[in-house]
Amino acid sequence: GAVVSQHPSRVICKSGTSVKIECRSLDFQATTMFWYRQFPKQSLMLMATSNEGSKATYEQGVEKDKFLINHASLTLSTLTVTSAHPEDSSFYICSALGQGGSGYTFGSGTRLTVV
Amino acid sequence: QKEVEQNSGPLSVPEGAIASLNCTYSDRGSQSFFWYRQYSGKSPELIMSIYSNGDKEDGRFTAQLNKASQYVSLLIRDSQPSDSATYLCAVPDNQGGKLIFGQGTELSVKP
Repeated sequence: GAVVSQHPSRVICKSGTSVKIECRSLDFQATTMFWYRQFPKQSLMLMATSNEGSKATYEQGVEKDKFLINHASLTLSTLTVTSAHPEDSSFYICSALGQGGSGYTFGSGTRLTVV
Repeated sequence: QKEVEQNSGPLSVPEGAIASLNCTYSDRGSQSFFWYRQYSGKSPELIMSIYSNGDKEDGRFTAQLNKASQYVSLLIRDSQPSDSATYLCAVPDNQGGKLIFGQGTELSVKP
């Protein structure tokens, strides 16, 4: 089946630094990538939607200059958390939507801790 | 804003019992419905998808869809402790395809 590889699985960074999270679709072309954030005991909250080769669409309340999304190819999308702060500590998950109704495939998630 | 609503639980059932998880959605035009299971600290995994009114069975899992009532449910027969997880109902947004998730129902199966 379809697989999305997400890295890193866990990262600890210092406050003020930037962290990049990668999601790669291994055996299919991801026309659309969704980026979610999940705080403890809460559901997934959509941050942004990106389509290959175009600018990401951010949900209301999500700072586009803080959460930089790049979807330069049909197999790779990245989320960069810039100038991270402790309140950005969360579980970040990508989900790829393939061509031809292949459905949604989730990455394994990245646990970000900002200290 | 399209909405997906679930009882947050926790729902506790004894091992071997039937667990019933419910979900309602606001967009009458929705066509696809998904149930995901999420273990603590892990990413969601797809359990069932359903597109037509009625029941869809896959092993111990049965999804039930009633579009007139805007209601989708998930039944887990012969519940096992390994079924203990949070179950998320999700409905795609018809504009762009983003998944709208319910708040999730935490299920605990007691041995």
